[in-house]
Amino acid sequence: TQLLEQSPQFLSIQEGENLTVYCNSSSVFSSLQWYRQEPGEGPVLLVTVVTGGEVKKLKRLTFQFGDARKDSSLHITAAQPGDTGLYLCAGGEYGNKLVFGAGTILRVKS
Amino acid sequence: GAVVSQHPSWVICKSGTSVKIECRSLDFQATTMFWYRQFPKQSLMLMATSNEGSKATYEQGVEKDKFLINHASLTLSTLTVTSAHPEDSSFYICSATSGHEQYFGPGTRLTVT
Repeated sequence: TQLLEQSPQFLSIQEGENLTVYCNSSSVFSSLQWYRQEPGEGPVLLVTVVTGGEVKKLKRLTFQFGDARKDSSLHITAAQPGDTGLYLCAGGEYGNKLVFGAGTILRVKS
Repeated sequence: GAVVSQHPSWVICKSGTSVKIECRSLDFQATTMFWYRQFPKQSLMLMATSNEGSKATYEQGVEKDKFLINHASLTLSTLTVTSAHPEDSSFYICSATSGHEQYFGPGTRLTVT
């Protein structure tokens, strides 16, 4: 089973600040997905990246997939209180199984 | 599109009873569904892979006789927690695959008293 290391585990920042969440592995993934989850709800898919070096933008969120498809990052610009939540990265394995990172709890204070 | 529902959203049961949780893909067919368990402020832990028309594949350490999975159709998978105990209390989430992506249900909060 492949492992996906996600950091940081916790992040508490002020509104307007920028932040980056990292996911790293020694293994290659066929795809990498980022999810956001709020308490008591299921994870919501933010983006899927499949090509090495790929960069995708979703409003203030920028997702990057490493050239070797072993790592990914999520960068949020000018964070808002509404960005608060648990962010999860997940790498795609054979049979459509996902390997999840440990998650990053983000709190944006106003 | 790609909506997954779960029922019930929360359930409280007595120790020793069984509880069934349903997972449905509402607008697409899913030959494969997954069941996860999640503890507070932690990531998702894969319990099993549910394949339509065949037996589920369980992850190491997950008791197949305790967590019964049935994937009766391309849009429905069920998880039955048998002889539930307080330590089974958790947030159970299912997902269904569409192409490369997995879409998650809203989760079921199980509390065993």
